[in-house]
Amino acid sequence: NAGVMQNPRHLVRRRGQEARLRCSPMKGHSHVYWYRQLPEEGLKFMVYLQKENIIDESGMPKERFSAEFPKEGPSILRIQQVVRGDSAAYFCASSPAGGVGFRNEQFFGPGTRLTVL
Amino acid sequence: QKEVEQNSGPLSVPEGAIASLNCTYSDRGSQSFFWYRQYSGKSPELIMSIYSNGDKEDGRFTAQLNKASQYVSLLIRDSQPSDSATYLCAAASGNTPLVFGKGTRLSVIA
Repeated sequence: NAGVMQNPRHLVRRRGQEARLRCSPMKGHSHVYWYRQLPEEGLKFMVYLQKENIIDESGMPKERFSAEFPKEGPSILRIQQVVRGDSAAYFCASSPAGGVGFRNEQFFGPGTRLTVL
Repeated sequence: QKEVEQNSGPLSVPEGAIASLNCTYSDRGSQSFFWYRQYSGKSPELIMSIYSNGDKEDGRFTAQLNKASQYVSLLIRDSQPSDSATYLCAAASGNTPLVFGKGTRLSVIA
């Protein structure tokens, strides 16, 4: 399966715990985007990463949230000291590297549904 | 603030009819436009992309773009019950993150 992979698919945490969400982009893609979707809400951009670089984190809360995309391994979205308001579906999308004719088509993974008790 | 606006619906159409979904965007610098389909509890699935004014057809789907009016639409011909889903419109420029509308719920009635 060459699609975007995310794990875990479902994650339950108690308030104050940490949540780690993982995303492996499609083969050949070097751009990763994280989005959050609250019930009955649209998709909201959180952070855009390339390998070892955060390109745009303007959508990510300043506290408790962090993201990385190391040289080796998946991209990780980390939420520290989770609160009930963090309960949402978190989607990762990937796109190929830019260049001539680059059109920024983003392909989504299956998402991680985080529930905070 | 870059925004993408969509009518939330639900839009109900009978099976076999044409479903017309519309979207407007605020950022004149947007260059790329996308339609995603999202079934309940699932992730968004890219169904159409469009980059220049005019129409783009792919099977039963036609995307239309009018940059002067900042307007994007999606037509679904011969609508099927399996087309019932939420359709998300998104816009971007270059490598920037997608800005999504809240989506339009489509219900195709058999």
